[in-house]
Amino acid sequence: NAGVMQNPRHLVRRRGQEARLRCSPMKGHSHVYWYRQLPEEGLKFMVYLQKENIIDESGMPKERFSAEFPKEGPSILRIQQVVRGDSAAYFCASSTHPTDTQYFGPGTRLTVL
Amino acid sequence: AQSVTQLDSHVSVSEGTPVLLRCNYSSSYSPSLFWYVQHPNKGLQLLLKYTSAATLVKGINGFEAEFKKSETSFHLTKPSAHMSDAAEYFCVVSDGLRGNLIFGKGTKLSVKP
Repeated sequence: NAGVMQNPRHLVRRRGQEARLRCSPMKGHSHVYWYRQLPEEGLKFMVYLQKENIIDESGMPKERFSAEFPKEGPSILRIQQVVRGDSAAYFCASSTHPTDTQYFGPGTRLTVL
Repeated sequence: AQSVTQLDSHVSVSEGTPVLLRCNYSSSYSPSLFWYVQHPNKGLQLLLKYTSAATLVKGINGFEAEFKKSETSFHLTKPSAHMSDAAEYFCVVSDGLRGNLIFGKGTKLSVKP
């Protein structure tokens, strides 16, 4: 069984560019969560999605950030007009149900120059 | 609201000696609690999970944790540290029905030969 997959593993962007981070959940998992880990900090919840629906985006910055989980294909976290403060590791997790164990992907490390 | 506090940001032990990583939680109802481990530049791996079935939870790699409601604690222990245990450990509480996880700030475990 393949685990949660994320790509790219490392992403370098210049200020003002767009970053697209992809997450393929484990087989059979329809719940996806995105978390951000800033340097020297724990992970912070960003957004929770089910297929075609955003369930909870209370952790998402109000501007420049968006997420989707289409009927077909991976979940996408999109950051427009990146700034240096967006540099972080972004982790995706998936589960079969909101109260079930979340399994994490290896993360995407975003560096903004 | 749920929260977790990891009492030590850094713990250093010698190989073969016991490990104790401390965690206190705050929750308005019976929580689901987890310990995850993160090795350098890697994703997160679930060590163990408490969901009210038994107060002493056994996890992978010889780790275990005891849920103590009276002390609102969920400390992680291991009888004998191994060099490969050196990593960062996160105590985590689940935000109930929504499922998003709330992370502590992490404890870095160093193991000396």
